[in-house]
Amino acid sequence: GAVVSQHPSRVICKSGTSVKIECRSLDFQATTMFWYRQFPKKSLMLMATSNEGSKATYEQGVEKDKFLINHASLTLSTLTVTSAHPEDSSFYICSARPTDVLTYEQYFGPGTRLTVT
Amino acid sequence: GENVEQHPSTLSVQEGDSAVIKCTYSDSASNYFPWYKQELGKRPQLIIDIRSNVGEKKDQRIAVTLNKTAKHFSLHITETQPEDSAVYFCAAGISGGYNKLIFGAGTRLAVHP
Repeated sequence: GAVVSQHPSRVICKSGTSVKIECRSLDFQATTMFWYRQFPKKSLMLMATSNEGSKATYEQGVEKDKFLINHASLTLSTLTVTSAHPEDSSFYICSARPTDVLTYEQYFGPGTRLTVT
Repeated sequence: GENVEQHPSTLSVQEGDSAVIKCTYSDSASNYFPWYKQELGKRPQLIIDIRSNVGEKKDQRIAVTLNKTAKHFSLHITETQPEDSAVYFCAAGISGGYNKLIFGAGTRLAVHP
């Protein structure tokens, strides 16, 4: 149980275009999902907290107009990288926390590797 | 905000030896401390976690200790095996609310046969 999927797993796009990444909790409901960015051989950097039915909460230094987050249902959050540039190339990974208030654990998706040319 | 420091950044041990990874956190309100293992190209997997009302937790070859006063927690892996080779991340968070986690920089563990 507690499976999180991400789509696509890899995407290559041209500079200036937008890319949408989906994060789905397959067998549980998640009021809260998280989006991270991971550079090669580096740690997971929290970008934003996605809350179902409300606006996302962005970490300091993360441009909310650049990284649009929509958490439209209890099983789906999307991250849209707008007007992508080569410096946005990275590994984006989401996690989901079950709605059960007794659960602290976050379950991670497999990640999406974005390459902007 | 929370800041988590993790040491060492790399750790090389012989199979069968023990490995210890240490983390410190800054926010005294943090009360949840998970450890994740990430193999190359794969998602992070939770291996063990501890809450602030517990000082130590063990699961087979893996144990975690927490010192709330000093604000540090450690991962102990005994009888290491080559398949333990991976990057290990510690994290700290506050349960309740959104329960966001702040991660340490990671430790690359290599277990040599």
